[in-house]
Amino acid sequence: GQNIDQPTEMTATEGAIVQINCTYQTSGFNGLFWYQQHAGEAPTFLSYNVLDGLEEKGRFSSFLSRSKGYSYLLLKELQMKDSASYLCAVRDGDYKLSFGAGTTVTVRA
Amino acid sequence: TAGITQAPTSQILAAGRSMTLRCTQDMRHNAMYWYRQDLGLGLRLIHYSNTAGTTGKGEVPDGYSVSRANTDDFPLTLASAVPSQTSVYFCASSPISSSEQFFGPGTRLTVL
Repeated sequence: GQNIDQPTEMTATEGAIVQINCTYQTSGFNGLFWYQQHAGEAPTFLSYNVLDGLEEKGRFSSFLSRSKGYSYLLLKELQMKDSASYLCAVRDGDYKLSFGAGTTVTVRA
Repeated sequence: TAGITQAPTSQILAAGRSMTLRCTQDMRHNAMYWYRQDLGLGLRLIHYSNTAGTTGKGEVPDGYSVSRANTDDFPLTLASAVPSQTSVYFCASSPISSSEQFFGPGTRLTVL
């Protein structure tokens, strides 16, 4: 099984940077995903890491350290529309996803 | 392109009644999934299908059944609903089981 931990809530100011950490303990690892979910909507894919290191995609970056069971999602130049829940998900050897409970980010003006 | 559609959008159901949540995708994805999302628990996998004609159990399959008669449709059935099945249900699909998943808009189910 999977045990995935991420903070429940974070608050940041518009234009700032926020880092959302995710730690995991798995019985098998085949990649880590980050999804964004606005209130009342479906999750949408943000990033995917399977090898150690940093993946950058515009204002969003995701980092993975497999040896430490650790990932983070970095949101730069925060905008009001970035207020949402961010879900960390680990894929196991059978290609099934296990999700963390999500981190709710609130961006304030 | 519609992507993934789910029906109904929301439903109130009496305990003991049966219900089928519908999920249809038009992307010709091979793999499909059903999750439930509860406050504080995140998304949990109920059942999945890697390809038409096959299904598998996820983390929380009890009380639910699925079928995959064709590529496009993946209905989820609650045979006899109980209040603990009150949740938001998301259907998802991916081209193959190893790729990213795309989620439908969800069905909010309340069992009284």
